[in-house]
Amino acid sequence: ILNVEQSPQSLHVQEGDSTNFTCSFPSSNFYALHWYRWETAKSPEALFVMTLNGDEKKKGRISATLNTKEGYSYLYIKGSQPEDSATYLCAWGIGAGNMLTFGGGTRLMVKP
Amino acid sequence: GAVVSQHPSRVICKSGTSVKIECRSLDFQATTMFWYRQFPKQSLMLMATSNEGSKATYEQGVEKDKFLINHASLTLSTLTVTSAHPEDSSFYICSASFIQGKGYTFGSGTRLTVV
Repeated sequence: ILNVEQSPQSLHVQEGDSTNFTCSFPSSNFYALHWYRWETAKSPEALFVMTLNGDEKKKGRISATLNTKEGYSYLYIKGSQPEDSATYLCAWGIGAGNMLTFGGGTRLMVKP
Repeated sequence: GAVVSQHPSRVICKSGTSVKIECRSLDFQATTMFWYRQFPKQSLMLMATSNEGSKATYEQGVEKDKFLINHASLTLSTLTVTSAHPEDSSFYICSASFIQGKGYTFGSGTRLTVV
């Protein structure tokens, strides 16, 4: 069984705190690592698609890094805001257009 | 762009009845649609992959006669839960690949409750 795991499962932070989550995935047969932001009752929103070892991507206050050799990715949020409250999912892909294997998500709650 | 519309968002049905969930790609052609479900406190788990005009491929442990998938057109894929039972109560969500398979877009999901 090839598992994608995320930690922590949930996280409560204060507004203004910076935080980070971890996604671990199998290092074999790697094609891409996806990060999504998922708010209740909405579609998951794509944040990043990462393909190269050492990749670093940034979108506003959110950034991510990728280590394909050891099989992990970090997602960082700088200066968390209440609107960042959501579940953050990572997903491991083995090929273009193939299925994604998801982690269980990290649920972030930012208190004002 | 690349929007998938999923309906219904929430449905309650009686045990033994069937429920159809639709996913429509609004501004692109979805040649492949993935159907996932999520039980409480678990990951999204792939149920089946459907390709337009051909039979769906089901993951191990997913009953193809119970979860009927139809992908008759490039813009519509449906999942029908037949003879639903309370253990089928779950969150179901579809996803289509685009940008030559490098991106995935999701529906907003369907919360099914079987009573």
